[in-house]
Amino acid sequence: GENVEQHPSTLSVQEGDSAVIKCTYSDSASNYFPWYKQELGKGPQLIIDIRSNVGEKKDQRIAVTLNKTAKHFSLHITETQPEDSAVYFCAATYNYGQNFVFGPGTRLSVLP
Amino acid sequence: EPEVTQTPSHQVTQMGQEVILRCVPISNHLYFYWYRQILGQKVEFLVSFYNNEISEKSEIFDDQFSVERPDGSNFTLKIRSTKLEDSAMYFCASSDFRGTADTQYFGPGTRLTVL
Repeated sequence: GENVEQHPSTLSVQEGDSAVIKCTYSDSASNYFPWYKQELGKGPQLIIDIRSNVGEKKDQRIAVTLNKTAKHFSLHITETQPEDSAVYFCAATYNYGQNFVFGPGTRLSVLP
Repeated sequence: EPEVTQTPSHQVTQMGQEVILRCVPISNHLYFYWYRQILGQKVEFLVSFYNNEISEKSEIFDDQFSVERPDGSNFTLKIRSTKLEDSAMYFCASSDFRGTADTQYFGPGTRLTVL
């Protein structure tokens, strides 16, 4: 089955700097890769996603890149703000809408 | 904006008791999911549900677990005889189409504490 690794497990950046979180997946059949942000005491909230037919997607300060050959995808947050502090989870799935396999999460701290 | 809701937010129960966790998915969604997250760990898939039947389930989802859509709006997860290791956050999610529009939207979760 699918296995998703995520690095780093914790990341601290200064406000205004960029943050990059990387995930690798094992199943080449996976074709949908969402990123979720989880704030303390809340459920995961989708922030961006990418499908296997696209190499990069951007939404304001957030971007995701996908390298299908290497089976990895990354989340890029530019101009970080304190409210970006949260745990970020990547996930992978195939056959659109199947259960997501989540990575272990990255705790991002943006220091003012 | 439509959202997934879950009740209760926190459930405390004694080991061996039955619990029912409730979810109201987004109204036009067709696919429903339960996930769990043990404290400090990653989110794990339990079960997916479509057209009034389970479409996929994980190894975690054993005979102690069941799901039901008792009416047009609710989606429930039942644990028949809770164990200490069932203590976790349980998240419900829904999506509108297993095709090109498949984003899963998560509810705020129910924290289950088994004593």
